Amino acid sequence: AQSVTQLGSHVSVSEGALVLLRCNYSSSVPPYLFWYVQYPNQGLQLLLKYTSAATLVKGINGFEAEFKKSETSFHLTKPSAHMSDAAEYFCAVRSTGANSKLTFGKGITLSVRP
Amino acid sequence: DVKVTQSSRYLVKRTGEKVFLECVQDMDHENMFWYRQDPGLGLRLIYFSYDVKMKEKGDIPEGYSVSREKKERFSLILESASTNQTSMYLCASSLPGQSLAEAFFGQGTRLTVV
Repeated sequence: AQSVTQLGSHVSVSEGALVLLRCNYSSSVPPYLFWYVQYPNQGLQLLLKYTSAATLVKGINGFEAEFKKSETSFHLTKPSAHMSDAAEYFCAVRSTGANSKLTFGKGITLSVRP
Repeated sequence: DVKVTQSSRYLVKRTGEKVFLECVQDMDHENMFWYRQDPGLGLRLIYFSYDVKMKEKGDIPEGYSVSREKKERFSLILESASTNQTSMYLCASSLPGQSLAEAFFGQGTRLTVV
């Protein structure tokens, strides 16, 4: 079985501040991990993905995430928040089997204060 | 440009009606998914199809069924709509799990059952 835990439902930062969104996973096999972003009234868009090639993954819009196996974590960071980063962020896990499901966390809403 | 298209952005249906939500992808993906999204609960998997006419139950299949007669189309069916099925429904498609590929999402269908 696989699962994702995103602690907290809402994070608020000032414009220009560091963004840190936490994700911990549980998987019985080496996982693939993803971060998606959802802007209001839109579908989900991929930010970045971990597929075991490198533990530090860079994504779009200046986001990056680091895979830490010892901590079973895949936290999302951005050095300097922008107003346009305000959105809902989802972490997801998928195992490597052909018919594997894609399991999401509950999501975190990021607010950016001027 | 890859595309997952859901037939309706907004739907209003009456309790007890049979409801069809349609999803079409143009990427020749084997895997397709239906999720529902509710505030504070994230995305929960309803059904998953890994090939034509093949399907697996997700985490919350009760009250739903699916149909996949052609590779590009995956339909979600609410056999007898109830008010607790009022939600945002998201369709996604991907290559098989071992391909390291991410899922692509449609814009979502916001269903209201009255």
